[in-house]
Amino acid sequence: DQQVKQNSPSLSVQEGRISILNCDYTNSMFDYFLWYKKYPAEGPTFLISISSIKDKNEDGRFTVFLNKSAKHLSLHIVPSQPGDSAVYFCAASLTTDSWGKLQFGAGTQVVVTP
Amino acid sequence: ETGVTQSPTHLIKTRGQQVTLRCSSQSGHNTVSWYQQALGQGPQFIFQYYREEENGRGNFPPRFSGLQFPNYSSELNVNALELDDSALYLCASSLATGLGSYEQYFGPGTRLTVT
Repeated sequence: DQQVKQNSPSLSVQEGRISILNCDYTNSMFDYFLWYKKYPAEGPTFLISISSIKDKNEDGRFTVFLNKSAKHLSLHIVPSQPGDSAVYFCAASLTTDSWGKLQFGAGTQVVVTP
Repeated sequence: ETGVTQSPTHLIKTRGQQVTLRCSSQSGHNTVSWYQQALGQGPQFIFQYYREEENGRGNFPPRFSGLQFPNYSSELNVNALELDDSALYLCASSLATGLGSYEQYFGPGTRLTVT
C-alpha cells in the first residue's frame, strides 16, 4: 500500500530555471513531511521539511509547499544548478504514532542541463 | 562530527543463508532506523530502535531482526535469505527529544545481493 506517491520518475530542467517536484499522499493523518536528495552510492541527504501546521517553508533555494486539502506537496528549486542533479525523495510521517517511521515515495530523478 | 557509517559496502549471499549488517550512528544520536530500498523504489521502513528497544516496525517478517547497542551502534539480521531480499539496506540515525525525532541522517547503505 503506497501511501506516498511521486508520479514523475524523471525531470529535466535547464540550469538557472525552476525545478518543481510533486508528491501526493493518501493518509490524511500524516503531519510531517520531508524531502531528501540522493546521489549515486550515497545515502539520502535531508533537504527540507514542513509541518502540517504550515503551508510553506523556505531554505535558501529550496521551498516546500503543502496543500493539505489536496494531500499534495511540492518542492521548488530556484535557480536550478548542475549539482542539483540527483534523485529526490518525498517522505511523510505520523509524529504522534511511530515518529521514526518515514514513508517514502519512489523518487524523481532530476537532471539539470547547462 | 562523524556521520552515519555502514558495513560492509557490498555483500553477496546465497538463498537460505543468514546475514548481519552493521551501522554506526552519528555522534550524539540515540535512535536508529533501518530501511530496505529495492531497485527503482523508495526506502521502505523495516524497524526503529530507541535506547536499545524496538520502537516501531514496518511490514517485514520476523526473520528481519535488529539490535541496538549501548554505544548506539546497530545491527540488522536477516535469516533464511530470499531472492527478494536483494536490495540496498539503509541505516538512519536521529536524536529523539521530547518533541520527537523527525529528521533522520542516512548512511551510504549496504548493497545485498542474494543468489
